[in-house]
Amino acid sequence: DVKVTQSSRYLVKRTGEKVFLECVQDMDHENMFWYRQDPGLGLRLIYFSYDVKMKEKGDIPEGYSVSREKKERFSLILESASTNQTSMYLCASSLEWKAFFGQGTRLTVV
Amino acid sequence: KQEVTQIPAALSVPEGENLVLNCSFTDSAIYNLQWFRQDPGKGLTSLLLIQSSQREQTSGRLNASLDKSSGRSTLYIAASQPGDSATYLCAVPSGGYNKLIFGAGTRLAVHP
Repeated sequence: DVKVTQSSRYLVKRTGEKVFLECVQDMDHENMFWYRQDPGLGLRLIYFSYDVKMKEKGDIPEGYSVSREKKERFSLILESASTNQTSMYLCASSLEWKAFFGQGTRLTVV
Repeated sequence: KQEVTQIPAALSVPEGENLVLNCSFTDSAIYNLQWFRQDPGKGLTSLLLIQSSQREQTSGRLNASLDKSSGRSTLYIAASQPGDSATYLCAVPSGGYNKLIFGAGTRLAVHP
């Protein structure tokens, strides 16, 4: 069965910390994505990757970076966490138009 | 720019009712449309994917239709159950690589 795993369900970090959110998929998919979900704003694309070491900015990349050293792993990095990055973060991978999501990481920045 | 709208934003129905959730999109040049379910605090689960060449897809009590020319899709849920309570989102790809544009979702509550 298809599986996308995010390393943490809940995370609390301090302002200014460097934060790593990890995502692993076991389906050999080329495309992987990071979205954030906020009440009233819905899901918004932060970054995506279409191959190892290949990445492109989504709609809201400011304050974030990503890393994809291996095909199965896509990491989202908050360079210096701020309170406005408190959100639900969702990782996804896709193949032939179908998208598969992880369980989400609820990040709180205090 | 593609925009996706879902109506209604929330719906509360008694168990057993048949119901329809609506999704509309502004750019009809889509390859497909996908319906997802999201339980509170959890990730998204894909329910149905309709290709642009198809008119509808069915899975159990769920039936999704797609009318590209009018920019609309509907998700029909037959004989609703309390376990169907969740938020339902529709999404269309935009800009290549299956980047998805999501609607804001319909929050469904089915009460016994």
